[in-house]
Amino acid sequence: SSELTQDPAVSVPLGQTVRITCQGDSLRRYHVSWYQQKSRQAPLLVFDGKNSRPSGIPDRFSGSSSGNTATLTITGTQAEDEAAYYCCSRDSDIIFGGGTKLTVL
Amino acid sequence: QVQLVQSGAEVKNPGASVKVSCKASGDRLSDYGFSWVRQAPGEGLEWIGWISVYNGNTKYARKFHGRVSITFAMSTVHLELTSLGSDDTAVYYCAKDQTPFLLAVSVDYDFWGQGTLVTVSS
Repeated sequence: SSELTQDPAVSVPLGQTVRITCQGDSLRRYHVSWYQQKSRQAPLLVFDGKNSRPSGIPDRFSGSSSGNTATLTITGTQAEDEAAYYCCSRDSDIIFGGGTKLTVL
Repeated sequence: QVQLVQSGAEVKNPGASVKVSCKASGDRLSDYGFSWVRQAPGEGLEWIGWISVYNGNTKYARKFHGRVSITFAMSTVHLELTSLGSDDTAVYYCAKDQTPFLLAVSVDYDFWGQGTLVTVSS
């Protein structure tokens, strides 16, 4: 079965730019979306598979994809961005990456 | 504005079944599909399956085939999972498709329920 691979943890100084990556063969064929999950909360869609930011999501969140790698970029990271981030794509089923825990220093 | 309100926590014995509900409120819900996603303690997200209220289609993750059923009735999406094992202990979320009129499951879910903890233990 297809898998999506993410770095388990990433840290970024406050106000800097961070790139969170997601790798998998299915990304060559299918769109990817990104979810933010804060502790004990439901996930929140921050960048969708149509390459758009949902209403209400700050414009410091952006997404891109090339080959088998998708990237979520947060420009000017804020303290409230500290969370786990999951990529989501599909193969025969919907699949999530293992998640990246973002720490804002 | 859409709201998804899920049923309360459940404790089940191994081998039992569980039914979790997700009551949806908002406009034009019949145009959308809903997925169920779960998260085991300390783990990541896992997609379980999807139902289109629009046309009645369902799709289930291969891993759960034969022991999962997703239905919709009276503004409520139901997830039933049978033959529970300890590895089914998780928080279960319902989530609504961002785009209406989809004929197949999407990767974009714009509203989520608050989650329901299902604990499987003897």
